[in-house]
Amino acid sequence: ETGVTQSPTHLIKTRGQQVTLRCSSQSGHNTVSWYQQALGQGPQFIFQYYREEENGRGNFPPRFSGLQFPNYSSELNVNALELDDSALYLCASSSTRMEDTQYFGPGTRLTVL
Amino acid sequence: GESVGLHLPTLSVQEGDNSIINCAYSNSASDYFIWYKQESGKGPQFIIDIRSNMDKRQGQRVTVLLNKTVKHLSLQIAATQPGDSAVYFCAENIRPGGGADGLTFGKGTHLIIQP
Repeated sequence: ETGVTQSPTHLIKTRGQQVTLRCSSQSGHNTVSWYQQALGQGPQFIFQYYREEENGRGNFPPRFSGLQFPNYSSELNVNALELDDSALYLCASSSTRMEDTQYFGPGTRLTVL
Repeated sequence: GESVGLHLPTLSVQEGDNSIINCAYSNSASDYFIWYKQESGKGPQFIIDIRSNMDKRQGQRVTVLLNKTVKHLSLQIAATQPGDSAVYFCAENIRPGGGADGLTFGKGTHLIIQP
């Protein structure tokens, strides 16, 4: 186990709704990255947070937003949910912004109906 | 598009044999590569990594080889066990800490262990 935890485990929403996913990083890690993994695909980078600020972003629209808190935990918010947002959302933490190795949590399975 | 890919979607091997999973990457600026193992219903698990200034790195039962000339990465698993059944992803990072790009993953290879 990596020590990265995510909640909830599973979530079902309907199109147009909003969702908040949560992540607690591994002890001692101050950098959190979020990924979306569609069924049968590799994870796709959404964004990364370091010291409570967005440090980088992948090719995702602005309705995907996030937060990082002083204790380094993080939230991923998705507004105006679409059917294609159905996926496994993964959180990964690393010890510093300059550390390449990222350790993943178990993920949150989001289903949009 | 993706800059990291895998040659085979499924690899079937006999228990006890060695497994070799291959990965091709296209971004010559990539300086760090990681192999992850993902079991059904779980998040990716770190296996081994390698930097671009190395061509081989060994771990417990695993070896990663990097050939920068042909932009090829491979994962070798010795004496494959049933617990090795999973999807294996290679990932690359073109800058320290990920930054604007994070890790770029390929589609994955499903390793099946035959008894």
